[in-house]
This record gives sequence, C-alpha cells and structure tokens, in this order.
Amino acid sequence: KAGVTQTPRYLIKTRGQQVTLSCSPISGHRSVSWYQQTPGQGLQFLFEYFSETQRNKGNFPGRFSGRQFSNSRSEMNVSTLELGDSALYLCASSLALGNSPLHFGNGTRLTVT
Amino acid sequence: DQQVKQNSPSLSVQEGRISILNCDYTNSMFDYFLWYKKYPAEGPTFLISISSIKDKNEDGRFTVFLNKSAKHLSLHIVPSQPGDSAVYFCAARGGVMGGSQGNLIFGKGTKLSVKP
Repeated sequence: KAGVTQTPRYLIKTRGQQVTLSCSPISGHRSVSWYQQTPGQGLQFLFEYFSETQRNKGNFPGRFSGRQFSNSRSEMNVSTLELGDSALYLCASSLALGNSPLHFGNGTRLTVT
Repeated sequence: DQQVKQNSPSLSVQEGRISILNCDYTNSMFDYFLWYKKYPAEGPTFLISISSIKDKNEDGRFTVFLNKSAKHLSLHIVPSQPGDSAVYFCAARGGVMGGSQGNLIFGKGTKLSVKP
C-alpha cells in the first residue's frame, strides 16, 4: 500500500508570492491533516479535512488555507509568503475511525527568500 | 504554553540495553497518545499509541506506559538497536468530535543515539 505522497519535495519562493502544496493520502484514508515543522516551534497543527470539509484549524493566519477533494486528496495554499513561512510542511492521513493514528508523508520543504 | 513536554533533548544508550523516552503533558482532556520516530529528511513514522483508558501497550520491542495521575507517558525500547537512532516525538490528542480526529499536540522531540 502506497504511503502519503506529497509534492513537490522542495520549493523555493520569494516573499509576496503564493504557493500550493499537494498531498495524496493513503488509499482508504478519509482524513487529511497538515502540519508545519520549524526548528523553533516544532510540529504545529495547521488544519484538518474530512469529507471535503475543514473540521479543525490551528492557530495560523488566514494566509494559510486548504481544501480537500472528493477523492480525499488535499492541497494547502499559502498566500503573500513571508520569510517566516520557511518550514517543512507535512501532510498526514488517517482512517478517521476512533483512535486512528496519523500517517505522515515526507513533507515539502519550502524556502522563502 | 507547552502542553506536551519532552524534557530530554537527547539520550544516548548502548546497543542491546533499554531506551526510555519520557513525555509529560498538562491537559487532562487528552485521550489518545502516540509516539513517532523521525529520520532526517523524512516525515514522522508512527510507532505505537495508547488510549487513555489503558496504562500499557506493547508492540514488539516497543512498550508505551501511561500514568494518568502523573500526566506522564514513557516509551521503552528493548533491546535498543543502532537503527533506532532517530528523533522521537510524543504526541497527544484531545477528544474526537464527530468525524474529526482533532489535532495532535507534539512535544519538541528527543534525539536517541544507540551506540554499537
């Protein structure tokens, strides 16, 4: 069974631009969550989608948004990029049944210059 | 305000011995706890989890212990192997609401080095 797939693996953008990251969950998984990892803050929850609906949102500005498609694939978008948005963005999927662990992809490394 | 704390940034053990990684939490509403292992340039890999209704869960060389009164959990790896060298994250989740899995609150991680 294929794991969580994230594209692209690396991305370099300049301040003020916008970026879209993509995530394909494990087949059969209906919940997709996004996390940001930085050296200072560690792993922080961005948002969670289930059945194309945002179910939960972390404490990030409105520049961070996402969506989920009918096939459970998800995208996240960051507009008006800032230097501080440089981070590893991780997508995770789960079965969304009771206590189901999250399974993470290898992330997209975003560098904002 | 760190709700999940891993107070040891690093741990070094000898191959074959036991590794004990610790985690403390502050929120008594957390109902599900997980441990992840992370290698550089890879995403976290799920290792083992425990529900708040249990105090122990075992999977091969990995055992997680939960002490709810102390708000403390630990991961035991026996025997430790050089391939276990990685950063280990403890995570906690609040209650599941509807179809939501809630969000995971992660500790800052403990870097485990297992020496041959």
